[in-house]
Amino acid sequence: GAGVSQSPRYKVAKRGQDVALRCDPISGHVSLFWYQQALGQGPEFLTYFQNEAQLDKSGLPSDRFFAERPEGSVSTLKIQRTQQEDSAVYLCASSSSRAGAREQYFGPGTRLTVT
Amino acid sequence: AQSVTQLDSQVPVFEEAPVELRCNYSSSVSVYLFWYVQYPNQGLQLLLKYLSGSTLVKGINGFEAEFNKSQTSFHLRKPSVHISDTAEYFCAVSDTPGYGKLTFGQGTILTVHP
Repeated sequence: GAGVSQSPRYKVAKRGQDVALRCDPISGHVSLFWYQQALGQGPEFLTYFQNEAQLDKSGLPSDRFFAERPEGSVSTLKIQRTQQEDSAVYLCASSSSRAGAREQYFGPGTRLTVT
Repeated sequence: AQSVTQLDSQVPVFEEAPVELRCNYSSSVSVYLFWYVQYPNQGLQLLLKYLSGSTLVKGINGFEAEFNKSQTSFHLRKPSVHISDTAEYFCAVSDTPGYGKLTFGQGTILTVHP
């Protein structure tokens, strides 16, 4: 079956532009996570959705970052007025359960480069 | 707050040799422990996880890890590596109970030489 997909795979933005990154989780998965992975670092948590509810956005680095999942499936991470420090790979993951013990399935990521 | 430390940023090893990738964590609450592998241009894939019970857990591709509560460690081992094991490996923890927010280490690049 299909895994988690993300689009675009690569995005180049000029500083100050807005970008939108899309995540298609595995069908039926209730939990959805966004992580940011800077070059040479491990992924860092950004935000968590349980169905359409955003239950944790403690990792969003600034108010320029906004995420939504309006129908409890596809999610979009939006970054307004991009800055060079936003350059990173943005990973989406989904899980079939609300429980932390369940496996998270990761997408291939979107590599954002801000010039 | 939780933190994860992977003690080696790079580990070179020859094919068919054993390998150990080290991971230590700190947390004020009980945690679940995970090892993920990331191949170039791919997402992370779960190798194995420790939830409770036996401290030795076996995963895919011949990997295993041992949870040591007193040393707050969760080292990953494989008795004989293959060229195809070349990848980056991440140790991660999540709170229990909780919804699964992962805190990752900085990763260890395993390079297997022929």
